[in-house]
Amino acid sequence: NAGVTQTPKFQVLKTGQSMTLQCAQDMNHEYMSWYRQDPGMGLRLIHYSVGAGITDQGEVPNGYNVSRSTTEDFPLRLLSAAPSQTSVYFCASSTRNEQYFGPGTRLTVT
Amino acid sequence: EDKVVQSPLSLVVHEGDTVTLNCSYEVTNFRSLLWYKQEKKAPTFLFMLTSSGIEKKSGRLSSILDKKELFSILNITATQTGDSAVHLCAVRDFGNEKLTFGTGTRLTIIP
Repeated sequence: NAGVTQTPKFQVLKTGQSMTLQCAQDMNHEYMSWYRQDPGMGLRLIHYSVGAGITDQGEVPNGYNVSRSTTEDFPLRLLSAAPSQTSVYFCASSTRNEQYFGPGTRLTVT
Repeated sequence: EDKVVQSPLSLVVHEGDTVTLNCSYEVTNFRSLLWYKQEKKAPTFLFMLTSSGIEKKSGRLSSILDKKELFSILNITATQTGDSAVHLCAVRDFGNEKLTFGTGTRLTIIP
């Protein structure tokens, strides 16, 4: 039981490049979320999903897309990277009673 | 829009002291309030609270919720250097299950 896995752990992009951050969970949780964490800003919700095929926007969705074709996977796509997207990204999966975070991806956009 | 405010923003105490961290919230449809500890990596779960007045306890840590006054406290007694971390509070919305986080309290324990 690996819990929540994220890849890559680190990534450097140039402005305008696109990429996908991968997130997978093996706990059969319905709910999955993506957060970004910036100094002094806490964790801010980007997108979330309450089940396969269902996604919705969080607090800071602009510049990001998600899809949830299976229960296990919830990838986050950066369409055209900008320096403002430099951050640490956490994926989480949850039931109604608890939430588990992945180890995070540190993304730098130059 | 759901909102969580934590205080103090940072706290420095000596080992052995007792600390109280505060969390106040506004949420449209309250399901639960959660506390997390974050060291250098991902947040780790501490407590989930759903009912007022019922204390949750784990070793030296305890937490309680007041749904009338919309706040929670996290108490840590006999603090140790391993308690040094950012402690995060979050509220979960009933229905869409969204979690809204506060910015955290940075706790530093001096040996």
